[in-house]
Amino acid sequence: QKEVEQDPGPLSVPEGAIVSLNCTYSNSAFQYFMWYRQYSRKGPELLMYTYSSGNKEDGRFTAQVDKSSKYISLFIRDSQPSDSATYLCAMSVQTGANNLFFGTGTRLTVIP
Amino acid sequence: EAQVTQNPRYLITVTGKKLTVTCSQNMNHEYMSWYRQDPGLGLRQIYYSMNVEVTDKGDVPEGYKVSRKEKRNFPLILESPSPNQTSLYFCASSPTSSSTDTQYFGPGTRLTVL
Repeated sequence: QKEVEQDPGPLSVPEGAIVSLNCTYSNSAFQYFMWYRQYSRKGPELLMYTYSSGNKEDGRFTAQVDKSSKYISLFIRDSQPSDSATYLCAMSVQTGANNLFFGTGTRLTVIP
Repeated sequence: EAQVTQNPRYLITVTGKKLTVTCSQNMNHEYMSWYRQDPGLGLRQIYYSMNVEVTDKGDVPEGYKVSRKEKRNFPLILESPSPNQTSLYFCASSPTSSSTDTQYFGPGTRLTVL
């Protein structure tokens, strides 16, 4: 069983829709949770990180962590064509970046 | 402009021919690392470096070498490439090794080993 599972999609939504992207994990010791966005032919860029459980909001993006279910989500409100990208979740037990476990990514397309 | 650069961006080579992928960052970051990205497997760390002359293995180090002689550069060396090293490679840097520090990724190097 992989440490982190992520539905690869692809996911297509109309512009303006609310998007929900999810990851599940098996290691209950994970405490740091991150979402990266990767445009085609580019490297990943950090969108948001959350420590432990709870929600975090940044503009149209909300990251949610449910440690009891070992489930994290990224919600995108009022989705835009510029949100079309692959979204990767990542998580770690400790703060060290050398201990990151990445999901395989979900490819999202927002149709104008 | 703050950035991580990688060269070459695309490379096709043959089994056994030594190659080096260069990585350079202009942000004075301490932490640098190399990842490979494969379909269905996601990003996996190959090697990382906490600072000059300090390197360590990641999850998939077999067949790779690195060096960190200067803070800005972190080359990835494949001494005898094999077809299973065909992949998309990313270099990344961050101010420290904390996973909550923003990691800046390079644009990627697509390597094909025939």
